[in-house]
Amino acid sequence: ETGVTQSPTHLIKTRGQQVTLRCSSQSGHNTVSWYQQALGQGPQFIFQYYREEENGRGNFPPRFSGLQFPNYSSELNVNALELDDSALYLCASRPPGQGWETQYFGPGTRLLVL
Amino acid sequence: GQNIDQPTEMTATEGAIVQINCTYQTSGFNGLFWYQQHAGEAPTFLSYNVLDGLEEKGRFSSFLSRSKGYSYLLLKELQMKDSASYLCAVPGGFQKLVFGTGTRLLVSP
Repeated sequence: ETGVTQSPTHLIKTRGQQVTLRCSSQSGHNTVSWYQQALGQGPQFIFQYYREEENGRGNFPPRFSGLQFPNYSSELNVNALELDDSALYLCASRPPGQGWETQYFGPGTRLLVL
Repeated sequence: GQNIDQPTEMTATEGAIVQINCTYQTSGFNGLFWYQQHAGEAPTFLSYNVLDGLEEKGRFSSFLSRSKGYSYLLLKELQMKDSASYLCAVPGGFQKLVFGTGTRLLVSP
């Protein structure tokens, strides 16, 4: 049990639609990162939020956006879904000032785009 | 930037020992991580090496050679539940971890 939860667990969408994925971090974990993991690949960094501001972004287009809320929950929004967006989406959180070894991943949301 | 290479798949027998290798290239080294990921689940932290040498943690050990850009994860007394993907990762700046593609380990009876 990592204390990081994600919803929904599975989701099916069609091309062009929009999707919102949710993550709830442990209390006090004010850094949250989102990763995309395609089948058979390692997780790829999408972006990180710290104190409700985006403070780092990977090689993903602007249609991937996020929000972080004061209650340590966060969202990943993806607009204009494409087939290649089908993947496992992971959020990860860690407490302030702590190293990567304290980062915990949520169970992920598996998104299928048809 | 960062680049990580690890074998795609390995097989081993229950009770045996297996070594999963990882080579990396990174500008500015800040440690190397190993994660275990069972199918459809979240990655879970196994080990973190920042200095050269072997670190042992129960049945799992991790080795690092910074001069060679090389690490390995050693799993002893393999159990069926060790069938999973093993991910090697390095920090890519303070915001992110850069992961390899993962090594899928299949343990057979």
